[in-house]
Amino acid sequence: DQQVKQNSPSLSVQEGRISILNCDYTNSMFDYFLWYKKYPAEGPTFLISISSIKDKNEDGRFTVFLNKSAKHLSLHIVPSQPGDSAVYFCAASRGATNKLIFGTGTLLAVQP
Amino acid sequence: KAGVTQTPRYLIKTRGQQVTLSCSPISGHRSVSWYQQTPGQGLQFLFEYFSETQRNKGNFPGRFSGRQFSNSRSEMNVSTLELGDSALYLCASSYRTQNTEAFFGQGTRLTVV
Repeated sequence: DQQVKQNSPSLSVQEGRISILNCDYTNSMFDYFLWYKKYPAEGPTFLISISSIKDKNEDGRFTVFLNKSAKHLSLHIVPSQPGDSAVYFCAASRGATNKLIFGTGTLLAVQP
Repeated sequence: KAGVTQTPRYLIKTRGQQVTLSCSPISGHRSVSWYQQTPGQGLQFLFEYFSETQRNKGNFPGRFSGRQFSNSRSEMNVSTLELGDSALYLCASSYRTQNTEAFFGQGTRLTVV
């Protein structure tokens, strides 16, 4: 039972344009969401997070949007840079725990 | 401030052996979680420790175990290794016990032959 889904396995974007990565979840009890960037054979790097009491959080070029009614979150990267090319994972947690449920990842390729 | 340190980075073991992986969290972080990443199953939660107590356990067989020491360092052990245990094992540390960022180490690549 995949509680966190990233339906796009890959995304290709031109340098300077916006990258939008999407994530859907099924468990309405999730109350904290995170985005990570990952290179092969390395650990995920934390990018940005959002609590379920908010609908938007920004940090530099990264913005996360949360739509609780649709059980959907998205990560916007503006402007996209070639160094952003990596696999992006969304993750969710619920309650008094740091247990993260991860999506399957989206491979972002930013073309120069 | 040093990040999460995992040792060793790479390991090759034979089926039936056992292995111990180590994780040193970020200074001041008392919550440590472990994950397994495989091509087929993605990133899967193994266990979570806080102040030497296991708070949560994922859906893995009893061959997978862990512990946390009083200095917050953590180890995980896999006994009777199987070929399917080949994976990247990741450790993450957090400052609080909920609604907080988790910072990952570089991982230990375990290959079982």
